[in-house]
Amino acid sequence: GENVEQHPSTLSVQEGDSAVIKCTYSDSASNYFPWYKQELGKRPQLIIDIRSNVGEKKDQRIAVTLNKTAKHFSLHITETQPEDSAVYFCAASKNPGAGSYQLTFGKGTKLSVIP
Amino acid sequence: GAGVSQSPSNKVTEKGKDVELRCDPISGHTALYWYRQSLGQGLEFLIYFQGNSAPDKSGLPSDRFSAERTGGSVSTLTIQRTQQEDSAVYLCASSPGTTTGELFFGEGSRLTVL
Repeated sequence: GENVEQHPSTLSVQEGDSAVIKCTYSDSASNYFPWYKQELGKRPQLIIDIRSNVGEKKDQRIAVTLNKTAKHFSLHITETQPEDSAVYFCAASKNPGAGSYQLTFGKGTKLSVIP
Repeated sequence: GAGVSQSPSNKVTEKGKDVELRCDPISGHTALYWYRQSLGQGLEFLIYFQGNSAPDKSGLPSDRFSAERTGGSVSTLTIQRTQQEDSAVYLCASSPGTTTGELFFGEGSRLTVL
């Protein structure tokens, strides 16, 4: 089955600096890579995702890059703010057909943004 | 509209007891997932329901765990003869069954086995 490794497990940055979280996956058939943000005591929520036919995707201060050859993808947060402090999870899945996806998650990265 | 609803939000039980956790997905969502989140760990896949298809039970850790989904809507996760290692937050998620792939999570049920 799919195995997703995520690094680092914890990350502290100064407000305004950039943060990068990296993930690798094992199944070359995986084609969907979302990122979820979980604030303390809250539910995980999707913040951005990328599919295998795209190399990079941006949404305001966040971006995700995908290298299919190397089987890794990364989350980039620029101009970090205290409200970016949370646990971030990467995930990977393959779609066997039309419909929903079964996701394998990484173990998460706890990001702390220091004011 | 209402999001994914889970109950109970907290459950404390004694080792050896059975527990039932309930998930009410977003109306119209055909896919429903159960994940387990232990302290400091990621989201561990347990089981996946998609429409009327047979569920994917490949993530259930032992035969003490089972789940059902009645009428394609509400789901119940049952843990029999609970053990201390079952203590975790059990998260339910649903998705529309379209190509977006986004999962909408509930707030979770925190299970503590004494």
